[in-house]
Amino acid sequence: DTAVSQTPKYLVTQMGNDKSIKCEQNLGHDTMYWYKQDSKKFLKIMFSYNNKELIINETVPNRFSPKSPDKAHLNLHINSLELGDSAVYFCASSQDGRELFGYTFGSGTRLTVV
Amino acid sequence: SQKIEQNSEALNIQEGKTATLTCNYTNYSPAYLQWYRQDPGRGPVFLLLIRENEKEKRKERLKVTFDTTLKQSLFHITASQPADSATYLCALRNSGNTPLVFGKGTRLSVIA
Repeated sequence: DTAVSQTPKYLVTQMGNDKSIKCEQNLGHDTMYWYKQDSKKFLKIMFSYNNKELIINETVPNRFSPKSPDKAHLNLHINSLELGDSAVYFCASSQDGRELFGYTFGSGTRLTVV
Repeated sequence: SQKIEQNSEALNIQEGKTATLTCNYTNYSPAYLQWYRQDPGRGPVFLLLIRENEKEKRKERLKVTFDTTLKQSLFHITASQPADSATYLCALRNSGNTPLVFGKGTRLSVIA
């Protein structure tokens, strides 16, 4: 039973298209995140959602919009895709006050923009 | 500016030896520091957390130290095995609601 699941696992699309990545966690965690891992393997925070409210929005282009319909889901919508958006996107979740358990990550979505 | 540096991009060691990975940070005051393992094509997996008031933490063959004066954490794998080959990431956060910030990782290869 997967704790944090992302779909799709692979996404190949043309420049200019709009796409969404879905994430669901069944751990009952309070906070969910989107991280981007570029070709150099650097994992960078994009968004953080706590109980459906955005609490951090790093310097990410506004073409990226997170949407959280409920505490268990955090989707990422990307408009007007660009070549530089190609990367692996990871969803993660954590429980406030339970730092000893760390973050739980999904297996990633590899986005390729051609 | 704030930085997290894992000094070695790659580290090769022989099976049975102790692997030591380094994480240094500047301009952070972390309440704790975490270590993760990432295998190719997978998401990072949490290994250990060490708090600012702890000097050392152990879990099976893993040992983490945390020196807030040096602003450094060391991650040790004793009696290393080829199955330990992976990328190891350190991560920290300041207090409050800030999310984890990750280092670039060290790719460890344990050679039989």
